[in-house]
Amino acid sequence: AQKVTQAQTEISVVEKEDVTLDCVYETRDTTYYLFWYKQPPSGELVFLIRRNSFDEQNEISGRYSWNFQKSTSSFNFTITASQVVDSAVYFCALSERTGGFKTIFGAGTRLFVKA
Amino acid sequence: EAQVTQNPRYLITVTGKKLTVTCSQNMNHEYMSWYRQDPGLGLRQIYYSMNVEVTDKGDVPEGYKVSRKEKRNFPLILESPSPNQTSLYFCASRASGSFNIQYFGAGTRLSVL
Repeated sequence: AQKVTQAQTEISVVEKEDVTLDCVYETRDTTYYLFWYKQPPSGELVFLIRRNSFDEQNEISGRYSWNFQKSTSSFNFTITASQVVDSAVYFCALSERTGGFKTIFGAGTRLFVKA
Repeated sequence: EAQVTQNPRYLITVTGKKLTVTCSQNMNHEYMSWYRQDPGLGLRQIYYSMNVEVTDKGDVPEGYKVSRKEKRNFPLILESPSPNQTSLYFCASRASGSFNIQYFGAGTRLSVL
């Protein structure tokens, strides 16, 4: 069965600190897709990144980076030099190729970045 | 502009009074879905639709109905709302293929008294 665990409920950091948000997933499928979405205080859901299960190449995009490790079933997200505008709830999500349109979201991690 | 539009954005109602939350997308996406977001639980899928007249239950379908008569519209119907359906609801759409990005509506905050 699918499962996504975001063990960190809330994280609080001071501006310019680096912060890593953890995501651990469970799936029986060999082909699956992982996503990160951001939900700022305004409430909308914004797509950040996706990875398929065959692409373990880590990615850096500006201050954001993602570390996908199949061996530990993890897809962690790091913000370098955090800013107040990074304050949001971050969701990790999993879709399986055989699962149709079924997507499982983690419970989310609320990040507070203090000035 | 590509978008998913939900209406209303806010709704307060009373137990048992039928309501419909509309969802419309202008991207010609095959797949549409409804989620509810509750504190500590993340987003949970209520129903989804793979195409016109094709729908299926998600993880929390009890108390909800959907229909997909047109490709662009996917309304969520609460025939007899109860207080435990007080939540933040999101509609989403994406092109076919599980790898594709979901686009979300702005959300509907529903309170059932």
